[in-house]
Amino acid sequence: KQEVTQIPAALSVPEGENLVLNCSFTDSAIYNLQWFRQDPGKGLTSLLLIQSSQREQTSGRLNASLDKSSGRSTLYIAASQPGDSATYLCAVRGYSGGGADGLTFGKGTHLIIQP
Amino acid sequence: ETGVTQSPTHLIKTRGQQVTLRCSSQSGHNTVSWYQQALGQGPQFIFQYYREEENGRGNFPPRFSGLQFPNYSSELNVNALELDDSALYLCASSLAFRTGGYGYTFGSGTRLTVV
Repeated sequence: KQEVTQIPAALSVPEGENLVLNCSFTDSAIYNLQWFRQDPGKGLTSLLLIQSSQREQTSGRLNASLDKSSGRSTLYIAASQPGDSATYLCAVRGYSGGGADGLTFGKGTHLIIQP
Repeated sequence: ETGVTQSPTHLIKTRGQQVTLRCSSQSGHNTVSWYQQALGQGPQFIFQYYREEENGRGNFPPRFSGLQFPNYSSELNVNALELDDSALYLCASSLAFRTGGYGYTFGSGTRLTVV
């Protein structure tokens, strides 16, 4: 059974700092890994999608890496801003039988950027 | 291009009742999945539909059931509601099932409260 762990559970830093959020998963048989952002009481916004054959993806100030063999991914946020405050969720899409499974999520990292 | 829309946004039900939640997939997507998110937790996979058939299910009892319609919209039905069913229910759509190469787009969710 796939398990996803995110560290740290919570993080509070001053504006402008560069951040690293960590995600680990127990089963390396994955199709892809996706990072999401969730604002309080809201749905999920996709940030980055990394295919199992890729090493990293970048979008603006965000960079995500994937090391499938070691079961790890990191989300790097450069020059953090108060608007980045949210919960960040990591999810992997595994497969069984002939097709893809649903997503397995971590519990998230609750991020607060202080102005 | 429309995103994933869910209705209703909020719902209050009494224990033992039945509830139906609805979802319209993003245009062009043919796979829909449902997730339950309890407060402070990551979303948990309920089930997935592809071409109107369920082809993946998480650790949820049979009183959680669903439908996918020819236009790729979907319903989640929960019978015999329990207090622990109180959660945010998220619908997500994706382009394909077997390739696994595409990410998910999530709706804003339905907040269900069981009293």
